[in-house]
Amino acid sequence: AQKVTQAQTEISVVEKEDVTLDCVYETRDTTYYLFWYKQPPSGELVFLIRRNSFDEQNEISGRYSWNFQKSTSSFNFTITASQVVDSAVYFCALSDWGNAGKSTFGDGTTLTVKP
Amino acid sequence: DTEVTQTPKHLVMGMTNKKSLKCEQHMGHRAMYWYKQKAKKPPELMFVYSYEKLSINESVPSRFSPECPNSSLLNLHLHALQPEDSALYLCASSQDLTGAARSGNTIYFGEGSWLTVV
Repeated sequence: AQKVTQAQTEISVVEKEDVTLDCVYETRDTTYYLFWYKQPPSGELVFLIRRNSFDEQNEISGRYSWNFQKSTSSFNFTITASQVVDSAVYFCALSDWGNAGKSTFGDGTTLTVKP
Repeated sequence: DTEVTQTPKHLVMGMTNKKSLKCEQHMGHRAMYWYKQKAKKPPELMFVYSYEKLSINESVPSRFSPECPNSSLLNLHLHALQPEDSALYLCASSQDLTGAARSGNTIYFGEGSWLTVV
């Protein structure tokens, strides 16, 4: 069975601080996908990144960066110089190789960025 | 703006009503999904359609009835719901279900339909 753990339920930071959201996963599959989504109060799930299990390169996109470490089954997400607009619930998710849409989600981390 | 459109955005219905949620995408995607999300919980997969055929039903009660009339549309028919069915219902789509290594197989979500059953 697959499992995703986001140990941080809520995080509060002040604008311009850096913040890291943790994600640890469990799977017996050797190939899989990992995702991060952002869900603002409006409700829409916004896709942020997809990572294949065989690609351990870290990725940076603007203020966002992701650290994938297969050895520790972690896929952490860092926001640099946080902004108020980053306030949202962030979900980490895991899916098997054959069905990218059937994802197991973590419980989410609510990030509040205060001005 | 999201490329997956869901209507209505808000719906209040009685337990004896029949209503439908609608989802539309024009990205040429052949996989479409319904998720249910309760407050402060992660989304839970309900149904998956692949090439207009039901591929996955995650043991959803029969009072929820999905329909995929064509490759762009996905409906969720609601009948005799219970108050505990009140939730955010999210539709999503992707190119297909396969895990090919191409980069395009992103899943796009709509803004959701907030359902309240009274």
